[in-house]
Amino acid sequence: AQKVTQAQTEISVVEKEDVTLDCVYETRDTTYYLFWYKQPPSGELVFLIRRNSFDEQNEISGRYSWNFQKSTSSFNFTITASQVVDSAVYFCALSEAGFSGGYNKLIFGAGTRLAVHP
Amino acid sequence: DVKVTQSSRYLVKRTGEKVFLECVQDMDHENMFWYRQDPGLGLRLIYFSYDVKMKEKGDIPEGYSVSREKKERFSLILESASTNQTSMYLCASIHFPQAFFGQGTRLTVV
Repeated sequence: AQKVTQAQTEISVVEKEDVTLDCVYETRDTTYYLFWYKQPPSGELVFLIRRNSFDEQNEISGRYSWNFQKSTSSFNFTITASQVVDSAVYFCALSEAGFSGGYNKLIFGAGTRLAVHP
Repeated sequence: DVKVTQSSRYLVKRTGEKVFLECVQDMDHENMFWYRQDPGLGLRLIYFSYDVKMKEKGDIPEGYSVSREKKERFSLILESASTNQTSMYLCASIHFPQAFFGQGTRLTVV
């Protein structure tokens, strides 16, 4: 069965600190996708990144970077030099690519609330 | 620009009322999902549909039903609203591996 665990419920940092959000997943499929979403106070989910199971290259986008390690089933997200605007709830999600009746469920972790203080 | 629209941003309903939450997508996607979001629990899957008139239970279907009469519209129904259904409800339209979300409906049952 699919499962996503975000062990950190809340993280509080001061502006300019680096912060890493952890994500551990479980799946029996060999083909799957992992996602990170940001949910600011406005409530809408903002897509950040998608990574497929065959691509273990780390990715950097500005102050954001992602570390995907299949050996530990982890897909961690780091924000470098955090800013107040990074304050939000961040969700990690997993979707298996196996076609069970033609659909693919997207399963979320519980989320990590990040508070960045000036 | 792709769009998933939920009919209401905020709703207040009374215990025992029948409640309809509507979701419309304009991307011709087969797969549509309803999630419920509660603090500390993340987004939990209630129901999903992979085709017109097809539906599947998610992880927490109790107290809910759904309707998918047209491809673009997926409705979540609370047959008899209860206070423990007070929550944020999010609709998603998925064309694997891309997922698009509505803005959410914050439902309060009093």
